[in-house]
Amino acid sequence: AQSVTQPDIHITVSEGASLELRCNYSYGATPYLFWYVQSPGQGLQLLLKYFSGDTLVQGIKGFEAEFKRSQSSFNLRKPSVHWSDAAEYFCAVGAGSGYSTLTFGKGTMLLVSP
Amino acid sequence: GAVVSQHPSWVICKSGTSVKIECRSLDFQATTMFWYRQFPKQSLMLMATSNEGSKATYEQGVEKDKFLINHASLTLSTLTVTSAHPEDSSFYICSAFTGGTEAFFGQGTRLTVV
Repeated sequence: AQSVTQPDIHITVSEGASLELRCNYSYGATPYLFWYVQSPGQGLQLLLKYFSGDTLVQGIKGFEAEFKRSQSSFNLRKPSVHWSDAAEYFCAVGAGSGYSTLTFGKGTMLLVSP
Repeated sequence: GAVVSQHPSWVICKSGTSVKIECRSLDFQATTMFWYRQFPKQSLMLMATSNEGSKATYEQGVEKDKFLINHASLTLSTLTVTSAHPEDSSFYICSAFTGGTEAFFGQGTRLTVV
C-alpha cells in the first residue's frame, strides 16, 4: 500500500524568505503526486501535480515541486513566501483507477512571520 | 475550473440524531466521489468511494451502517451520519473525480455533535 511522509509538522518562515516543504512517498509503481493547500476550515486546493515527464513541476501561486525518484521525494518549494501562504500543506500520492484515490501525508503547517 | 459544492459548511446536531451532508459537482459530471474525514491537526482519511448508481466501497474500519453514502446521480453524492455521537464530530470533505487526472474537493463540512 502507498504511504506519504511529511516529516515537518510545522515550519515557520520569514516573509520574503524561501520555502521548502518535504514529502517522501512509498509506492510500488510510478507515483502520481500532488500538493494541496488547505486554509483553516476550508477544503483543499490543488497547487500542482506530477504524473510524468519533466520532474520539475510548476504550480499555482509561484510554487514548484521536484520529483526525485532516487530519493522517493516530491518536495515543494517557493522562492519568496508571502504572508498569505500561511496554511496547511498536504502531499498526496494517487493510486487506483485514474489515480483518483489519494493517500495523504499528515500535513505541514506553514507559519509566516513578519 | 471544476467546482464542487458541499453543504452545509457546518452543522451542530444533538447526539442520537442523523445528519446529511451533500456534495455536488456544479459544472461537471463526477463518475466517482470520495468522502474523507479529517480530525483536528490530522490528515485526511479516506472513508469511502462511491460510483454513481452503485454501492459505496468503504475503507477498513469505517462503519457502513453508520456512514450511509448515496450517489444517486452524476452530480450528487450524500453522506448521512446516522445516530451521531460526539466522537463523530469531525471535518468531512468530499471530492469528485471526472475520470481525468484530478479530483476536485468541496469546501468541507464541520460537524459538531453535542
